[in-house]
Amino acid sequence: QSALTQPASVSGSPGQSITISCTGTSSDVGSYNLVSWYQQHPGKAPKLMIYEGSKRPSGVSNRFSGSKSGNTASLTISGLQAEDEADYYCCSYAGSSTFVFGTGTKVTVL
Amino acid sequence: QVQLQESGPGLVKPSETLSLTCTVSGDSIGDSYWSWIRHPAGKGLEWIGRVNGRGSTNYEPSLRSRATLSVDTSKNQFSLKLSSVTAADSAIYYCARGPYGANPSDYWGQGILVTVSS
Repeated sequence: QSALTQPASVSGSPGQSITISCTGTSSDVGSYNLVSWYQQHPGKAPKLMIYEGSKRPSGVSNRFSGSKSGNTASLTISGLQAEDEADYYCCSYAGSSTFVFGTGTKVTVL
Repeated sequence: QVQLQESGPGLVKPSETLSLTCTVSGDSIGDSYWSWIRHPAGKGLEWIGRVNGRGSTNYEPSLRSRATLSVDTSKNQFSLKLSSVTAADSAIYYCARGPYGANPSDYWGQGILVTVSS
């Protein structure tokens, strides 16, 4: 199965909002509400930020929100902060008990 | 607090088998699914597969012929074997809890760098 498509990079100034897209197909993102988002700082393990498309784990800032429309899921970071600069990956259930990650997006805070 | 720790050789020769173990603390390995995910340098994350406490497995289709996941409930560990490795299998390998049902991979190990080279 093919990786979900994300923009290679997204940037924004502190305080702004940015949105990262994650485009799949009707066999993965479009068919299930099981998209999760991970934040990864250099040299660190990924950290869960969003699950089931829009739910936040305990301890994750409410500046992070998720949504989905058709075959595309999105992660929005509002009130962008320097600490948000990292790589972000989406992940979706792809049917037949398999999962697929996105290509990854580097977020730069200008 | 759930903690996972990967262990195994950091260097594997081409055509040989990569073997990694993940030791879990703070949770019983019998209660969930446990995954291996890898991150090649300069590329994105790749899900390899998952195993549950009863040894039931699921694999990424492109790796199914070379990957074997297993579980040792007596040691609260699960393992990955990847056969016939090439340089393309060089990556940081992570173990993680989940996904399981609607629950995503929420706890991850720190990762272990594996290089395939002669």
